[in-house]
Amino acid sequence: QQPVQSPQAVILREGEDAVINCSSSKALYSVHWYRQKHGEAPVFLMILLKGGEQKGHEKISASFNEKKQQSSLYLTASQLSYSGTYFCGTGGVGTDKLIFGTGTRLQVFP
Amino acid sequence: NAGVTQTPKFQVLKTGQSMTLQCAQDMNHEYMSWYRQDPGMGLRLIHYSVGAGITDQGEVPNGYNVSRSTTEDFPLRLLSAAPSQTSVYFCASSYSGDRRQETQYFGPGTRLLVL
Repeated sequence: QQPVQSPQAVILREGEDAVINCSSSKALYSVHWYRQKHGEAPVFLMILLKGGEQKGHEKISASFNEKKQQSSLYLTASQLSYSGTYFCGTGGVGTDKLIFGTGTRLQVFP
Repeated sequence: NAGVTQTPKFQVLKTGQSMTLQCAQDMNHEYMSWYRQDPGMGLRLIHYSVGAGITDQGEVPNGYNVSRSTTEDFPLRLLSAAPSQTSVYFCASSYSGDRRQETQYFGPGTRLLVL
């Protein structure tokens, strides 16, 4: 039931773009995205809800394809501060559970 | 607001010892939960609570107990520590019980090493 994230790791230069994908085998009600820096707690980025509502972050965007049970996180013009591990969490239809993926490690170099 | 606080930050236990990880929040959130984070495994839900006096099991509850006597506090008890419980433990809270649509606020974590 754990969502699958891809890729597992990404290395970027400042200014480059990246896409992180999250895929579930179950029908989805929502997708959450969090970023965790080394040794710190995960921090909320955004929630995407079934039906198209999105609560977001100022410079990072995401999409939610309900039919494909997938979400993608788009990081454009990456900054050094974007480095960290990104987790998606999926909320299922007919359940109140929120299950997190295994994470994607992103490293941005100057 | 202090947000979600956890104590201790780091703990070393011997196999068989018991201990309690503390979690508190000052945001008047109804929902609280405990996760463990292991390399390559992501965040896995241990136990959760949708309000004072109500708790339920998550994905990996074995070896852990919880109780929720107040809205603010949600302690996690390890009954008899095992090396497999070496992990980083995060407490999280959200405004309501529908985790699917609520921002989860995480505490700073407790690093536990069981020898």
